[in-house]
Amino acid sequence: GQQLNQSPQSMFIQEGEDVSMNCTSSSIFNTWLWYKQDPGEGPVLLIALYKAGELTSNGRLTAQFGITRKDSFLNISASIPSDVGIYFCAGSTGANSKLTFGKGITLSVRP
Amino acid sequence: DADVTQTPRNRITKTGKRIMLECSQTKGHDRMYWYRQDPGLGLRLIYYSFDVKDINKGEISDGYSVSRQAQAKFSLSLESAIPNQTALYFCATSDPSPGEDTQYFGPGTRLTVL
Repeated sequence: GQQLNQSPQSMFIQEGEDVSMNCTSSSIFNTWLWYKQDPGEGPVLLIALYKAGELTSNGRLTAQFGITRKDSFLNISASIPSDVGIYFCAGSTGANSKLTFGKGITLSVRP
Repeated sequence: DADVTQTPRNRITKTGKRIMLECSQTKGHDRMYWYRQDPGLGLRLIYYSFDVKDINKGEISDGYSVSRQAQAKFSLSLESAIPNQTALYFCATSDPSPGEDTQYFGPGTRLTVL
């Protein structure tokens, strides 16, 4: 089946640093989504990407839909303590609205 | 008020008990989903429903059943709970418009089966 690969499982950065996360697949997706999950809460959508090559920003967050449609990245600039959480990528082929999720990256930010 | 709500938020039960988790939404979306989350495994789809008369199995439906009582309500049942069903459970909704694959999640239910 389709799989999305996110690694490493955990990342540790210093407050103020930039961080980049990749999500890769052997399959093509028509939509890429990035979610963040705070402890004890459900995932919240950060950025949605619908076109290959698309680059979209949301505040300090920037995400890109890879040209091959098999990958995406999320960049967080000037990290702050509230960026702590689990970041999931998700992809859809558009066929039936089902999403395939990566296993997530747990981000820790040291003050 | 939250668009997607789940009850209860936390539940502790014993092996063999029947449990129902409920999800309600005010987003007006036709499509609803149930996921479970386990540490290091991400989100896995249990069941999904594209409208009131439509129910589909996801990748890990064994041991679970669902009921779509109305457009706004989608319940997940564990007929006879077992310890390896201890997990975080999330309900989600989405809009069936073309290109609208974004799913919106509830706050989750933490279920512990002893």
